[in-house]
Amino acid sequence: GAGVSQSPSNKVTEKGKDVELRCDPISGHTALYWYRQRLGQGLEFLIYFQGNSAPDKSGLPSDRFSAERTGESVSTLTIQRTQQEDSAVYLCASSQRPGPGTEQFFGPGTRLTVL
Amino acid sequence: GENVEQHPSTLSVQEGDSAVIKCTYSDSASNYFPWYKQELGKRPQLIIDIRSNVGEKKDQRIAVTLNKTAKHFSLHITETQPEDSAVYFCAARGNNRLAFGKGNQVVVIP
Repeated sequence: GAGVSQSPSNKVTEKGKDVELRCDPISGHTALYWYRQRLGQGLEFLIYFQGNSAPDKSGLPSDRFSAERTGESVSTLTIQRTQQEDSAVYLCASSQRPGPGTEQFFGPGTRLTVL
Repeated sequence: GENVEQHPSTLSVQEGDSAVIKCTYSDSASNYFPWYKQELGKRPQLIIDIRSNVGEKKDQRIAVTLNKTAKHFSLHITETQPEDSAVYFCAARGNNRLAFGKGNQVVVIP
């Protein structure tokens, strides 16, 4: 079946502009995660959605970052007034359910470059 | 929250030798420990995982060991091959989300 997909694959923007990144999780997966991966660095948790529960936003680095998810489908991550330090690969992952032992399947990522 | 650390940051091994990567975690309530492999330019993929009620798990050339008392777990790759060259991330889950380490770059020298 289809895996997690993300769009766009690459995004180049100018400092100060807003960007919107999209994630389509695997159908039926209730949990969805966003991570940021700077060049040569690890995976930095941003936000987590689980069903209709309130999202865990504890990883969002500033109020310029926000994310939405409609039900158990697509999610969008929005970065307002982008800064050069926002340049990174943004990875989305989904899992069938929360809790231990549930594999997270990653999308291919969106590479964001802020000039 | 959970804090996961990986050592060493880079590991070079001769083809055929073994590679060991160690991770420590801070939250004693963490109960699930996966390892992800990320090849250059590709997405992370799960290669093996272990739950807190198990001390060791093996899958062909890879194995993971867990020491709950010391709060550390390790990935063991035996008979390394060039295709094992990648970045390996450990993670620990205490609540509903994973905390990842910063990754280990493993280079297998032919």
